[in-house]
Amino acid sequence: KAGVTQTPRYLIKTRGQQVTLSCSPISGHRSVSWYQQTPGQGLQFLFEYFSETQRNKGNFPGRFSGRQFSNSRSEMNVSTLELGDSALYLCASSLGGGNQETQYFGPGTRLLVL
Amino acid sequence: DQQVKQNSPSLSVQEGRISILNCDYTNSMFDYFLWYKKYPAEGPTFLISISSIKDKNEDGRFTVFLNKSAKHLSLHIVPSQPGDSAVYFCAAVPSSNTGKLIFGQGTTLQVKP
Repeated sequence: KAGVTQTPRYLIKTRGQQVTLSCSPISGHRSVSWYQQTPGQGLQFLFEYFSETQRNKGNFPGRFSGRQFSNSRSEMNVSTLELGDSALYLCASSLGGGNQETQYFGPGTRLLVL
Repeated sequence: DQQVKQNSPSLSVQEGRISILNCDYTNSMFDYFLWYKKYPAEGPTFLISISSIKDKNEDGRFTVFLNKSAKHLSLHIVPSQPGDSAVYFCAAVPSSNTGKLIFGQGTTLQVKP
């Protein structure tokens, strides 16, 4: 079974631009969660989607948004990019996002904001 | 407010010996705990997990121990191999949240040949 895939793998943007990242979960998984990894803050939860609905959200500004499609694929968008948004963005999928389920991660998208 | 803490930034062990990685948490309302291994610029790879109703789970060379009274879990790797060298993260799932993992800061393990 194919793992979680993320595109693109690398991205360079300038301040003020917006960016869209894509995530395809493991086949049959309906929950997709997004995380940001930075050297200073570590791995932080952004949001989680299930059945095209955002069920959970972390402490990030409204510039960070996402959506999920009927095939469970998910996108996240960051508008008005800031230098501090430079990070590794990871998505993870699980069957239903339950409290006893394992999340499996994709390889990540490395975003650099100049 | 760091709810999940890995107080040792790094650990170095000799090949063939045991590696013990530690993790402490402050919130009693965690249902599930996981350990991930991560290489730079890659996504975390799932290693092993444990439910809050258990105190031990084993999978090959990896064993996770959970001490609920001390709010402490540990990952034992026996025997350690050079390929185990990576950053190890413990993560916890809050009972009140869906799809959310709270991560520790990570411990860099180096296994010397």
